[in-house]
Amino acid sequence: DVKVTQSSRYLVKRTGEKVFLECVQDMDHENMFWYRQDPGLGLRLIYFSYDVKMKEKGDIPEGYSVSREKKERFSLILESASTNQTSMYLCASSPGGYTEAFFGQGTRLTVV
Amino acid sequence: QQPVQSPQAVILREGEDAVINCSSSKALYSVHWYRQKHGEAPVFLMILLKGGEQKGHDKISASFNEKKQQSSLYLTASQLSYSGTYFCGTKKTSYDKVIFGPGTSLSVIP
Repeated sequence: DVKVTQSSRYLVKRTGEKVFLECVQDMDHENMFWYRQDPGLGLRLIYFSYDVKMKEKGDIPEGYSVSREKKERFSLILESASTNQTSMYLCASSPGGYTEAFFGQGTRLTVV
Repeated sequence: QQPVQSPQAVILREGEDAVINCSSSKALYSVHWYRQKHGEAPVFLMILLKGGEQKGHDKISASFNEKKQQSSLYLTASQLSYSGTYFCGTKKTSYDKVIFGPGTSLSVIP
């Protein structure tokens, strides 16, 4: 079974802190994604990566950056957390061709 | 642009049928359907490629009308386990990323 593991289920951070969300997949997938999920807005793509050290902006990249140093790991970084970044963050991976995506359990981040 | 889903929410009794629609203002290459149960990760249901094929997954099937840029998900004889939020995702080309809609909340009650 494909497994996508996010390092934390719940996080509480203070405004202005630098926040790291980690995601690891075990199926050697080329593509990895970070989504943000908010009620009524669905899954909005923040960043995605189609190869090691390669990244592309999604629809809402402002305030975020990413890092992919190894194929299995994709990190989302909030450079200076703000309260409007309070949300559920979902990581996903898929094989080449952008077909079926496998999602992690999500990290619920609260910025106070 | 984000696809539009309708309805936003639906409540069914066990055994009833439901249809969830997904539409786009742009020509589509594929439509992807996922279900997310409460507190869980979204899970892939099926992909439909342009060509108008219909796919099935147990008592859940879907169609894709590329001329109308629409897809419909059909849930037949609904079960309690069908409850969750259904997301459609669309791609304009084969190498494009998937853009998800806002979701449809489906609740099945006894």
